[in-house]
Amino acid sequence: GQQVMQIPQYQHVQEGEDFTTYCNSSTTLSNIQWYKQRPGGHPVFLIQLVKSGEVKKQKRLTFQFGEAKKNSSLHITATQTTDVGTYFCWGGGSNYKLTFGKGTLLTVNP
Amino acid sequence: KAGVTQTPRYLIKTRGQQVTLSCSPISGHRSVSWYQQTPGQGLQFLFEYFSETQRNKGNFPGRFSGRQFSNSRSEMNVSTLELGDSALYLCASSSVAGQGDNEQFFGPGTRLTVL
Repeated sequence: GQQVMQIPQYQHVQEGEDFTTYCNSSTTLSNIQWYKQRPGGHPVFLIQLVKSGEVKKQKRLTFQFGEAKKNSSLHITATQTTDVGTYFCWGGGSNYKLTFGKGTLLTVNP
Repeated sequence: KAGVTQTPRYLIKTRGQQVTLSCSPISGHRSVSWYQQTPGQGLQFLFEYFSETQRNKGNFPGRFSGRQFSNSRSEMNVSTLELGDSALYLCASSSVAGQGDNEQFFGPGTRLTVL
């Protein structure tokens, strides 16, 4: 079945450092979505990527979708303490047995 | 517009019991999906309902079931509870069917503890 792997599982950074999390799928994805879950909260939608090679930016966040539509990345420039949380990718596949990656927990040291 | 609501927020049960969780989607949303979140396994898809029909189902045993009502509210039921069922159960609604194609709006979840 479709597998979505996310790395790293944990990332601790100093405030101001950059952060990147990667999402890799064993199959081609129809689209990929990124969500953020703050500690004690619920996942909140960040963005959806649909096109091969697509790049989208939201302030300090940059999202990329691979050319083969099997991988994606989320990059945060100059992290802030408000960026703390778990970032999940969600891979849409043709069979709809969709999976979230296990997420990357980001902690930021002020 | 009110967000997704889930009741109850916290629940404690013992092994062997059954439990029913409720989810009210955002007004106008007809798709409701359920997820189980545990520290070890992350977010796992349980099932999706659209217009009272189950459209997709994850890899969970038959003890996990759900339904959706004509007003789009959904319930999930877990019978014969096991210790491993302790988790945060999240419900998400979407404006159209086919979760994974559209933004999902998550509720706050129900924290189930099985003793």
